[in-house]
Amino acid sequence: AQSVTQLDSQVPVFEEAPVELRCNYSSSVSVYLFWYVQYPNQGLQLLLKYLSGSTLVKGINGFEAEFNKSQTSFHLRKPSVHISDTAEYFCAVSDKGTSFQKLVFGTGTRLLVSP
Amino acid sequence: DAGITQSPRHKVTETGTPVTLRCHQTENHRYMYWYRQDPGHGLRLIHYSYGVKDTDKGEVSDGYSVSRSKTEDFLLTLESATSSQTSVYFCAISESKTGEYYGYTFGSGTRLTVV
Repeated sequence: AQSVTQLDSQVPVFEEAPVELRCNYSSSVSVYLFWYVQYPNQGLQLLLKYLSGSTLVKGINGFEAEFNKSQTSFHLRKPSVHISDTAEYFCAVSDKGTSFQKLVFGTGTRLLVSP
Repeated sequence: DAGITQSPRHKVTETGTPVTLRCHQTENHRYMYWYRQDPGHGLRLIHYSYGVKDTDKGEVSDGYSVSRSKTEDFLLTLESATSSQTSVYFCAISESKTGEYYGYTFGSGTRLTVV
């Protein structure tokens, strides 16, 4: 069964610094990959997705992620963070070709941006 | 926008009582899901539905049942609530357009406290 590992439960960073949030998944079968963001007391919002094609994916709010099949990774990056990026970020994976499109989520990484 | 509404948004209930959470969608999506979110666990799939009266279990289905008598409504029932079911519950729909899979759109969540 597919699983997702987000090794960093919390990442503190200063405003305007770059950040990378790491995500690894377990299976090397063809996958769809997603990053979701959750602001305090809100639901989850899609940040970006990889379905196929270019391995560098750009999303909303200046975030991007790179799909690396050989390392089964999909790390999220932003070159310069803002206070407003403080949130919890979830990586998720779905096996291609499955009928029910179930997403498996990681445990989340809390990004804390300070001035 | 997928138009997903969860109700209630907040609920406090007593141990041993049945509780039903409702997820309503307005765009005729086939796939619907119930997840629970707990600190340190991310989101875990409880049940999902792939059509009217077609449902199946997820990874944490014990103590929960679901029903889908209409396309637009997916109900999650805690048959006899326990304190371990205190959680935030999210409903999601799976979006796809012209054969492309776009991942989930989430509702705003229901915060359930079992006392």
